[in-house]
Amino acid sequence: QSALTQPASVSGSPGQSITISCTGTSSDVGSYNLVSWYQQHPGKAPKLMIYEGSKRPSGVSNRFSGSKSGNTASLTISGLQAEDEADYYCCSYAVILWVFGGGTKLTVL
Amino acid sequence: EVQLVESGGGLVQPGRSLRLSCAASGFTFDDYAMHWVRQAPGKGLEWVSGISWNSGSIGYADSVKGRFTISRDNAKNSLYLQMNSLRAEDTALYYCAKARHYDLESSPPSNWGQGTLVTVSS
Repeated sequence: QSALTQPASVSGSPGQSITISCTGTSSDVGSYNLVSWYQQHPGKAPKLMIYEGSKRPSGVSNRFSGSKSGNTASLTISGLQAEDEADYYCCSYAVILWVFGGGTKLTVL
Repeated sequence: EVQLVESGGGLVQPGRSLRLSCAASGFTFDDYAMHWVRQAPGKGLEWVSGISWNSGSIGYADSVKGRFTISRDNAKNSLYLQMNSLRAEDTALYYCAKARHYDLESSPPSNWGQGTLVTVSS
């Protein structure tokens, strides 16, 4: 089982939109609509932002959205805010186990 | 409010064992699958193991298969991780996480504890 592939870093200015990609294979991302996204601030536990590809838990801003095409899932954050600066991880089901991406550090300029 | 409190971490020598516990409250524990996820210092998240609501479905990452055993006691609202033959590369903050549903196959980690630190070193 290999980790999903994410860019190491992305950046954007306040108010802009950014997209973080998460590339897997036909054995994980491509086969299931079970990609989730997590936000982690330094020294804090991860927080679920998106599940089942595009659904938002209660309380998560609608500025966060998820999508998928083939073996690649994406997280888009619109109207970037300073508090969005954090690490973001994707996660996918892969037959009796789950696999995370390597993480992407988002910098708000 | 969902609360997950991990315990049992500490410093342990390579080859030895350690048992982590997770005390759950604020939800009906036996209605949900549970996960263990770890994070090595300065590194990303790694899924370790998961268990369905009734322990009927269990999964492990290849990196821990055969060495770690996940279990739960629904009467005690508790999740456990028995870690044997520990290696330096098992050093990490171990998080207990509640899944979104009762089954392991469609329920990613949802609510997370604050973690317990395991350090494997001689």
